[in-house]
Amino acid sequence: QKEVEQNSGPLSVPEGAIASLNCTYSDRVSQSFFWYRQYSGKSPELIMSIYSNGDKEDGRFTAQLNKASQYVSLLIRDSQPSDSATYLCAVETSGSRLTFGEGTQLTVNP
Amino acid sequence: KAGVTQTPRYLIKTRGQQVTLSCSPISGHRSVSWYQQTPGQGLQFLFEYFSETQRNKGNFPGRFSGRQFSNSRSEMNVSTLELGDSALYLCASSLELREQYFGPGTRLTVT
Repeated sequence: QKEVEQNSGPLSVPEGAIASLNCTYSDRVSQSFFWYRQYSGKSPELIMSIYSNGDKEDGRFTAQLNKASQYVSLLIRDSQPSDSATYLCAVETSGSRLTFGEGTQLTVNP
Repeated sequence: KAGVTQTPRYLIKTRGQQVTLSCSPISGHRSVSWYQQTPGQGLQFLFEYFSETQRNKGNFPGRFSGRQFSNSRSEMNVSTLELGDSALYLCASSLELREQYFGPGTRLTVT
């Protein structure tokens, strides 16, 4: 079992729709969870961090964490073509180490 | 505040050579982590330094090494390069064990 798994892509949504990205992790002691966005040819950009169960909202982005189910998700409301990128789920395992999922490629169609 | 900087941005080396990559963290950040990104393996953790000490290490061979200086700048070295070392090498800095911010990366090609 992979340490961090993301829903297989690619994911395609129309402009203005809600994009839902999901991630599960195996290490029950993990306390910190992150979503990064990576455009083609660029480095990952941190867009959300979440540490407690529940929802955390930042603009059009909402991160959801359920530690009991070992599940973290990212919702993007009112999706824009500029949101088209690969989204990486990262879980802090073993101190300072981030373990990444394989990423979900999102395409927002105008 | 300036972001994480990495030099060089692109590098072409021959098998058997060695390479040194440099990373300057965000001002005030004392933790520097290094990651390797390849299409096949994704993003993988190499090591993390804090106050000139390696605190964490990933599952990479001993050919991969690093160090951190008193000003928090970090270098990583890869010796005896192999074709499989071709990758994007990313450096990330953080204030504490929380959000990590990535630099633009160094694209290494081994021929």
